[in-house]
Amino acid sequence: DAGVIQSPRHEVTEMGQEVTLRCKPISGHNSLFWYRQTMMRGLELLIYFNNNVPIDDSGMPEDRFSAKMPNASFSTLKIQPSEPRDSAVYFCASSGSRLGTQYFGPGTRLTVL
Amino acid sequence: DQQVKQNSPSLSVQEGRISILNCDYTNSMFDYFLWYKKYPAEGPTFLISISSIKDKNEDGRFTVFLNKSAKHLSLHIVPSQPGDSAVYFCAASAEGAQKLVFGQGTRLTINP
Repeated sequence: DAGVIQSPRHEVTEMGQEVTLRCKPISGHNSLFWYRQTMMRGLELLIYFNNNVPIDDSGMPEDRFSAKMPNASFSTLKIQPSEPRDSAVYFCASSGSRLGTQYFGPGTRLTVL
Repeated sequence: DQQVKQNSPSLSVQEGRISILNCDYTNSMFDYFLWYKKYPAEGPTFLISISSIKDKNEDGRFTVFLNKSAKHLSLHIVPSQPGDSAVYFCAASAEGAQKLVFGQGTRLTINP
């Protein structure tokens, strides 16, 4: 079975540009999570969805960040405009039940110059 | 305010010996705890979990112990193998919540 799929795996962009990260959760999973990992803050939850509906976006750092889940098999995390401090590894994870194990994708390493 | 803390950034253990990774938490509402393992350039993978109604959970070479009064949990790996070399994250969630709070991670190195 395919796990969580994220694209791109690496992204290098210049400050001010729009960045879109993509995630395909495991088929049948109804919860999707976006995390960010940095040296300073570790692994932190940005937002999560249940049945395509955003439940908790309290971790989204600021209005430059937005996330959508138009259907059960696709989600995007967008940063507009991007800044150097957004450089991090962004992980997507999905879960098949409310207290189920979260399965992580391989991550997208974002570098903003 | 870091609610889940892993105070040891790194740990080095000889192959065949026991590895003990520690995690402390401050939020008394946490009732479900997990350990994830992460290799470089990969996402974290689930290892083992424990509910607050238990004080021990075992899965093969991996055992997690929970001390609720001390707000402390530990992961024991016996015997340690070179493939266990990775970063280990402790995570916790509050009652009925899906949101996981992660510790900073401990890098475990198993020496041959």
